[in-house]
Formats: sequence, structure tokens, C-alpha cells
Amino acid sequence: EAGVAQSPRYKIIEKRQSVAFWCNPISGHATLYWYQQILGQGPKLLIQFQNNGVVDDSQLPKDRFSAERLKGVDSTLKIQPAKLEDSAVYLCASSPGTGNTEAFFGQGTRLTVV
Amino acid sequence: AQSVTQLGSHVSVSEGALVLLRCNYSSSVPPYLFWYVQYPNQGLQLLLKYTTGATLVKGINGFEAEFKKSETSFHLTKPSAHMSDAAEYFCAVSSGYSTLTFGKGTMLLVSP
Repeated sequence: EAGVAQSPRYKIIEKRQSVAFWCNPISGHATLYWYQQILGQGPKLLIQFQNNGVVDDSQLPKDRFSAERLKGVDSTLKIQPAKLEDSAVYLCASSPGTGNTEAFFGQGTRLTVV
Repeated sequence: AQSVTQLGSHVSVSEGALVLLRCNYSSSVPPYLFWYVQYPNQGLQLLLKYTTGATLVKGINGFEAEFKKSETSFHLTKPSAHMSDAAEYFCAVSSGYSTLTFGKGTMLLVSP
């Protein structure tokens, strides 16, 4: 079974530039998550999708971050404009359900904002 | 609201020694508890999870954890550490339809 695919693996941009990350979840998984993992901290949820609808985006900085999941499959996360404090690893995960079901993680995209 | 506290950002053990990583949680409803491992430049991989039933949960690579409701704990143990166990370990909690809330992680260092 193919895992969660993310691209790119690494990205370096200057502050105030824009950037986009892509995620392809495991086939058939209804739930998709984007997490932000700052160095030395645990992952923090940015947004959760159930199929193509948003379940939780309470911690997404909506003035600069946006995410979409078209057709309930692939997802993109965008930052515009980027700030230095956005430097982090952005992890995408998917699961067949919610709550007690396991989330499967991609390898992440490491973003450096200079 | 739910939260996770992992005691010790770094734990050092010798190869062959007992591994004990501590996790305490807070949840207003019965929790689901997870331990994930993260190797350098990799995503998170599930080690084990507690949902309901038996409170001692066995996972991959010889790890196990015990859910203790009275202590709100879910500590991770392994009887004998291997060099390949060196990684960062994250405890996480969810409940019902809520999403995973992670602790800050514990880096396990294994010396020969």
C-alpha cells in the first residue's frame, strides 16, 4: 500500500514570498490533516478535512495560510506571505476515520524562511 | 480541551537497558492514547495505541505502554534498548472525533 506522499521535501524562500505544499493521502482515506512541527516541538494541527469539507481549522492563521482539498483527495497548503516564524516541517497525514483510528504521516516538507 | 505532557525532552540509556518514556495526559472525556516514533527527516510512525479494553498495550519493535486512568498516564517502556531505537518519541491524545494533540516529544539517545 502506498503511503502519504508529500512534495516538495525541502523549500527555502525569502520572507514575504509565497509557497505551496502538496499532499496525496492514502487511497480511500476520508480524513486528511495538515500539521506544523516547529523545531523542538510536537506537531500542531493546522487543519483537518473530512472528504472535501473542513472539520477543524481553528489553529490555521487564516490571514496568511490557506488549504484546500479538491474532490476529497489531494490537498494543497499555501502560505502567503511567509514570515520567519513559519519555518517548520509541514506534515500531512491521513486516516480512514477520526478519533481512535490511526493517522498515517507523510515524510513532511521542511520549510526555511530567510 | 486535551493536552499531553512528556517528562524529559531527552532520555539517555545504554544499549540493553530499560527504556522508560513518560507521558501524562489531560482529557475531559475518555481518551484514546497513542505513541508515535519519528526518525530523522521522516514522518511519524505509530508504535502503539490504546482505545478501549486491556490497559497494557503491546506495539511494534518490543515497545509497550500501560494506560493508568487514576494517574492519567500512558508511559512507554521497552525492556532492552537497541541502538536502532534512537529517535524522537511523541505521545498523543484524542477523544471521540477530536484530532490528535501531541506532546513536545522526547529524544531517546542510546549509547553502546
